Amino acid sequence: DGGITQSPKYLFRKEGQNVTLSCEQNLNHDAMYWYRQDPGQGLRLIYYSQIVNDFQKGDIAEGYSVSREKKESFPLTVTSAQKNPTAFYLCASSPGGTSGSFAGELFFGEGSRLTVL
Amino acid sequence: QQPVQSPQAVILREGEDAVINCSSSKALYSVHWYRQKHGEAPVFLMILLKGGEQKGHEKISASFNEKKQQSSLYLTASQLSYSGTYFCGTATPDSNYQLIWGAGTKLIIKP
Repeated sequence: DGGITQSPKYLFRKEGQNVTLSCEQNLNHDAMYWYRQDPGQGLRLIYYSQIVNDFQKGDIAEGYSVSREKKESFPLTVTSAQKNPTAFYLCASSPGGTSGSFAGELFFGEGSRLTVL
Repeated sequence: QQPVQSPQAVILREGEDAVINCSSSKALYSVHWYRQKHGEAPVFLMILLKGGEQKGHEKISASFNEKKQQSSLYLTASQLSYSGTYFCGTATPDSNYQLIWGAGTKLIIKP
């Protein structure tokens, strides 16, 4: 079955630690995204990538880093510089981005819930 | 700038209709609608593109008023499965055509 797999589903981190959230897709999609969701709020874009070896900052990239070495993988590292990292993190992919005549739906993973202790 | 969704929450009886609005202060290129159930990932409902093209599925309709910079989602004869939080995402030239999401509208359907 095609889809997006995020891991881990739940993660606890001590202050000052870096953590990496995994996101893998087998949909052969070019574009991948990382969003952060806080309780009662919409999604906020952290980073996105439209092609391998290239990515762009979203609205709240500070304290986060990503890589896109393979088409199917887009891991997110939450660094110690992120002041308030406790949140629900969602990874998504789309075949051709979210705009233009190729605009298509976003396919989301199940999410990773990060809690800082 | 974040689009404004209204209402923030609505409670319906099964079979009733609902309208959810999404307004932007920017000229819109496209509007995307998703539904999210608690603790789950958002699920795609509809895309509305500038120029009138719509892409979507399920028995849900939507409108896109480019002049008023707003979109409305119409849920008719609501079912229990329609419960959840509805989000609109808007793409504009200012956002580099990446989606900016509204805060959501919580829909509760009672039997």
